[in-house]
Amino acid sequence: AQTVTQSQPEMSVQEAETVTLSCTYDTSESDYYLFWYKQPPSRQMILVIRQEAYKQQNATENRFSVNFQKAAKSFSLKISDSQLGDAAMYFCAYTGANSKLTFGKGITLSVRP
Amino acid sequence: DTGVSQDPRHKITKRGQNVTFRCDPISEHNRLYWYRQTLGQGPEFLTYFQNEAQLEKSRLLSDRFSAERPKGSFSTLEIQRTEQGDSAMYLCASSSQGTGDSPLHFGNGTRLTVT
Repeated sequence: AQTVTQSQPEMSVQEAETVTLSCTYDTSESDYYLFWYKQPPSRQMILVIRQEAYKQQNATENRFSVNFQKAAKSFSLKISDSQLGDAAMYFCAYTGANSKLTFGKGITLSVRP
Repeated sequence: DTGVSQDPRHKITKRGQNVTFRCDPISEHNRLYWYRQTLGQGPEFLTYFQNEAQLEKSRLLSDRFSAERPKGSFSTLEIQRTEQGDSAMYLCASSSQGTGDSPLHFGNGTRLTVT
């Protein structure tokens, strides 16, 4: 079975600074997708960024980028120029052949003004 | 695109009562998923449908839980004889293809409190 581990329960970043959120996963599949989802307080979960495992190039979406290390099974999210609106829970998630998402426990990110 | 809609937003019920939640997916999406999320945890998969067919159920889903998607559009999740341990946020999500090709779109969830 696939597992997703987010070992940091909380992180804090100063506004305009950069922060990196860690995620590791375990799988025996060779073809899969990884995601970071954002869940603001009392609001719906939204997709931040997606990475396809067969693509070596790290995905980037504006201020958000990932560091995908397939051999190490590591998938970290970097948020540049942090904004107050980035404060939320962030979930790392995995999907493979079974077409369902497996989530990590999440990390609470706070942004200090 | 009106997004995934869930009703009700909140439900408070007494232990032993039955509850039913509704999810309306994005109209062109043929896949619909139910997840359960407890406080401070990531969502856990419960079940999913492709059109009206329920393709997989988690072992988390006891016999008291049943989900339907009768016409391949909206879905309902029913919990019979609720227990305090059922208190959680129930999330619905939809997609147009497999999860990798078409990332899930989530609703706002239904928060269930069992007293």
